[in-house]
Order: sequence, then structure tokens, then C-alpha cells
Amino acid sequence: AQKVTQAQTEISVVEKEDVTLDCVYETRDTTYYLFWYKQPPSGELVFLIRRNSFDEQNEISGRYSWNFQKSTSSFNFTITASQVVDSAVYFCALRAGGATNKLIFGTGTLLAVQP
Amino acid sequence: KAGVTQTPRYLIKTRGQQVTLSCSPISGHRSVSWYQQTPGQGLQFLFEYFSETQRNKGNFPGRFSGRQFSNSRSEMNVSTLELGDSALYLCASSPRGDSTDTQYFGPGTRLTVL
Repeated sequence: AQKVTQAQTEISVVEKEDVTLDCVYETRDTTYYLFWYKQPPSGELVFLIRRNSFDEQNEISGRYSWNFQKSTSSFNFTITASQVVDSAVYFCALRAGGATNKLIFGTGTLLAVQP
Repeated sequence: KAGVTQTPRYLIKTRGQQVTLSCSPISGHRSVSWYQQTPGQGLQFLFEYFSETQRNKGNFPGRFSGRQFSNSRSEMNVSTLELGDSALYLCASSPRGDSTDTQYFGPGTRLTVL
């Protein structure tokens, strides 16, 4: 069975703090894809990053960075120097390989950045 | 390019009625997927269409149906609405519907069933 676990339901930080959002996944597939999406109060899911199972290279994009570790089945997301505009619900998602676009989402982490 | 658009954005219906939601994918995208988001169940996959064919279906009752047109626009229909159908319905599109794709989501339709 495929499953994504985001154990942190809510995180509150003060602006400029660093914060890490955890994501643990389960799959028996050897080829799979991991995603992070951001959902601001408006409701639209905004794509942040996609990672293939065969590419464990970490990625940095501005204040955002992602740490993918197959050994621990984790795909964690770090925001450096958080800002109020980062306040949103963040979802980690898993998609198996093959002819499907079905995403399995975690339950999301609500990040509140206080000024 | 314009993003994924969904209409209507808000909808209020009563139990027993039926509803049709519409999704226009990003221009050139051929795959459309639908998701239901509720506070209790989170984000759940409803179904996926590619080239007018339903390719995958989630674990939802037959009251939930959908279709895709030749221009890739998609509609989903819920018949005999129940209170539990109140949710944010999100549509996502992707270019090729294959494993190299990334799905881009629309703003959603918020359905309230009274």
C-alpha cells in the first residue's frame, strides 16, 4: 500500500526562524515520484517541487530546500528565514510510476509564521 | 499561459440535488484529474481522464462521475447529493499524463450541501 505521513499537524514559528516540515512515505514501487504543494488560504494547490525516486540529490531554491533520503523514506522540506507569506498548509504527495497521475497526499502541515 | 480554471467557484445545493462542476485545463494539457478535499478525509483522488478516457478512479460511490471532452475540458457530476459531499473539489491538469508529468491545480470549487 502507498501512504504519506506528515506527523506535524501545525507548526508556529516567528518570522526569520528556520522551519522543517517532515514527510515520510511508504511504497513498494521502485519507481515513484514525490511532490510538495503549498495551499494558501485561497485554496489553490501551488506546486513547489517534484523529485524522482532515482534522484536523491538535494535541492535548494531560494529560501526553500528539500532533503530526500530513500534509506529513511523521507522527503523533508526546509524553509530558511521564514516570512509571513510562507503561512499556508503544505502537502507532501506520492505518485507511483506508470500510466497514472493519481497522487496520494499526506494530511498536510499548517505553518503559521508570526510577525 | 492561463492556469487551470474551475467554475463555479462556490456552489450551494440541497440534499438530493445533483451538481456539475467544470474544469478547463492549461492550454495543451491532455490529462485532467479531480480531487476532493474535506477536513476529515483530507485530499482524496476521485478520477483521472486522458484523451477523453477515464484512466483511473478513486474509491468513491457511483454517484460521482466525470467526463472529458475533445478539447480536454472536463466536468464532474455528483448526483443525489449528501451532506458529506460538502467539500472543496480540485481539478488538476498535466501535459502528457505520464510519469514525467507534474500536475497543476486550479482554485477549486467549494460545494456546500444543505
